[in-house]
Amino acid sequence: QVTLKESGPGMLQPSKTLSLTCSFSGFSLSTSGMVVSWIRQPSGKSLEWLAAIDWDGDKYYNPSLKSRLTVSKDTSNTQVFLKITSVDIADTATYYCARTLLITTVVTGFDYWGQGVMVTVSS
Amino acid sequence: DIQMTQSPASLSASLGETVTIQCRASEDIYSGLAWYQQKPGKSPQLLIYGASSLQDGVPSRFSGSGSGTQYSLKISSMQTEDEGVYFCQQGLKYPLTFGSGTKLEIK
Repeated sequence: QVTLKESGPGMLQPSKTLSLTCSFSGFSLSTSGMVVSWIRQPSGKSLEWLAAIDWDGDKYYNPSLKSRLTVSKDTSNTQVFLKITSVDIADTATYYCARTLLITTVVTGFDYWGQGVMVTVSS
Repeated sequence: DIQMTQSPASLSASLGETVTIQCRASEDIYSGLAWYQQKPGKSPQLLIYGASSLQDGVPSRFSGSGSGTQYSLKISSMQTEDEGVYFCQQGLKYPLTFGSGTKLEIK
């Protein structure tokens, strides 16, 4: 059974660094072809893909935020992390992690999602 | 970036009605398209991947089609539980991008 769960601070002040953790089970990120992505969604709006990390440790970022994002994984391959520096009000959103399906180099979809963690940036 | 344009933004359908949602990519995405359903307060759920492959456990009344830049999601017989917001997503190139969503309600 595949499960993912996000955790984070809930609320933080502008200019701070947001640190998020995705803890998952039912698969290993060391398995060839496995990828975990971070996606966010402001309330009432669409989804924005932020970053991904694959089984080989390769990292992919959304260029619109690339300079502020860092994705990483732990050595046990059961957790993925995302850091966003210099947050502002526009970063207020629900943040999801999701297992990402690949066929060759094409992302075919996000088949398992965490429940999401709501993050509010406010002074 | 590949832009995904969804239409309509919202629609209402009667029980049993056939519903179609469209998604257009700004360039050919070679069937690298997925569809999701999201209900209020819940995470998105994958319905269709590879433009036309039904994800395990998804009812067969959902189907996807299309090629090149034009894709569609069809619900063959609208049910109450199909209310929600539907998103398309391209997976051909990074950054991965989503459509703006279509809100589907029961009439």
